[in-house]
Amino acid sequence: SQKIEQNSEALNIQEGKTATLTCNYTNYSPAYLQWYRQDPGRGPVFLLLIRENEKEKRKERLKVTFDTTLKQSLFHITASQPADSATYLCALEQTGANNLFFGTGTRLTVIP
Amino acid sequence: GAGVSQTPSNKVTEKGKYVELRCDPISGHTALYWYRQSLGQGPEFLIYFQGTGAADDSGLPNDRFFAVRPEGSVSTLKIQRTERGDSAVYLCASSSRRGTEAFFGQGTRLTVV
Repeated sequence: SQKIEQNSEALNIQEGKTATLTCNYTNYSPAYLQWYRQDPGRGPVFLLLIRENEKEKRKERLKVTFDTTLKQSLFHITASQPADSATYLCALEQTGANNLFFGTGTRLTVIP
Repeated sequence: GAGVSQTPSNKVTEKGKYVELRCDPISGHTALYWYRQSLGQGPEFLIYFQGTGAADDSGLPNDRFFAVRPEGSVSTLKIQRTERGDSAVYLCASSSRRGTEAFFGQGTRLTVV
């Protein structure tokens, strides 16, 4: 069956450290992988998109890697801040299709 | 509009009633998605429209759920004979084309009592 799993339900880290979140998928052939941030009571907000032929993408303090052999994406937040506390979701857009499937999410808490 | 708009923001209905949830996507966005999200879970895919047609409705849980997008813009998600298990936040998103970000609305919180 198809699955998109994110490493842990909750992750707590100290302010200033790098947070690393994992997204693993099974039985998908993604053309694109996206990361979103979701705050309580709000809809997800887009952060980064990476294509299947890209290994890494950066935006300010954010970095995403994409390994189609391991079927995994890693999402890093460097120099984390309490304001980074939120739920982070990965999403896949399949090759040959346009629907977007989401993972289970990881709730990140950055402790001051 | 400036963003994706969903109405109502909250809906409480009695078990067995019919409800309609509306999504007004960003103007010009051809792709529209409906998701259902329960507390502590990721968005669960329901249906995807490309223009007026449902390109993928494989996520609709059963035949009580139906969605339309007659003119390729506004979409309505319809739930018949609601059950308590239908209680969730229903999210709508739109995007301009393949491989681009999806913009989400704030969601409609549906509570079936």
